[in-house]
Amino acid sequence: DTGVSQDPRHKITKRGQNVTFRCDPISEHNRLYWYRQTLGQGPEFLTYFQNEAQLEKSRLLSNRFSAERPKGSFSTLEIQRTEQGDSAMYLCASSLDAGLTYEQYFGPGTRLTVT
Amino acid sequence: TQLLEQSPQFLSIQEGENLTVYCNSSSVFSSLQWYRQEPGEGPVLLVTVVTGGEVKKLKRLTFQFGDARKDSSLHITAAQPGDTGLYLCAGAQTNAGKSTFGDGTTLTVKP
Repeated sequence: DTGVSQDPRHKITKRGQNVTFRCDPISEHNRLYWYRQTLGQGPEFLTYFQNEAQLEKSRLLSNRFSAERPKGSFSTLEIQRTEQGDSAMYLCASSLDAGLTYEQYFGPGTRLTVT
Repeated sequence: TQLLEQSPQFLSIQEGENLTVYCNSSSVFSSLQWYRQEPGEGPVLLVTVVTGGEVKKLKRLTFQFGDARKDSSLHITAAQPGDTGLYLCAGAQTNAGKSTFGDGTTLTVKP
């Protein structure tokens, strides 16, 4: 297994356009997380899935953001009508739902620039 | 909201020096992770601590979880330029699902 992968690694888009990012988790991991990270900050939680169910979504998340994990494997994060404030690194992570530990394994991220 | 405060925010030292960075909260966590992140990449998991007072060692890195499971520290002995990076702590609470991240300590080790 090669770890968590994300595609694309970089995306430049014009304000108002829609963008979609893909995340492929570690194959045996049932949990998948999306985070957003801006310069000088730690990752900010957006949403997470257990299998195909979206269990939590951040209250800070605009309704322009939507995420899916249709078959409990890969996930997509879509941002509609992008704004300059959406520029950030979007990180995906996966983990096993196992006991007290929440060890998340991150992908390399997708760097979004909105012009 | 469970906040994790990391200090210092920035640390610049010479190769061979020792250092300690801190992760503090007013909340109790069931587990706490430390990650290291390089520019343009995702965080890489270093360690998980679960038990209050627990100490874990990873080569020159020593991690400690506070007795009350509200805080943690990372000590690096004889720092090397390869240790340069952003060190993040993340805390999780039982049945919370997600983890809360601090804003990290940016460490620069000069040769």
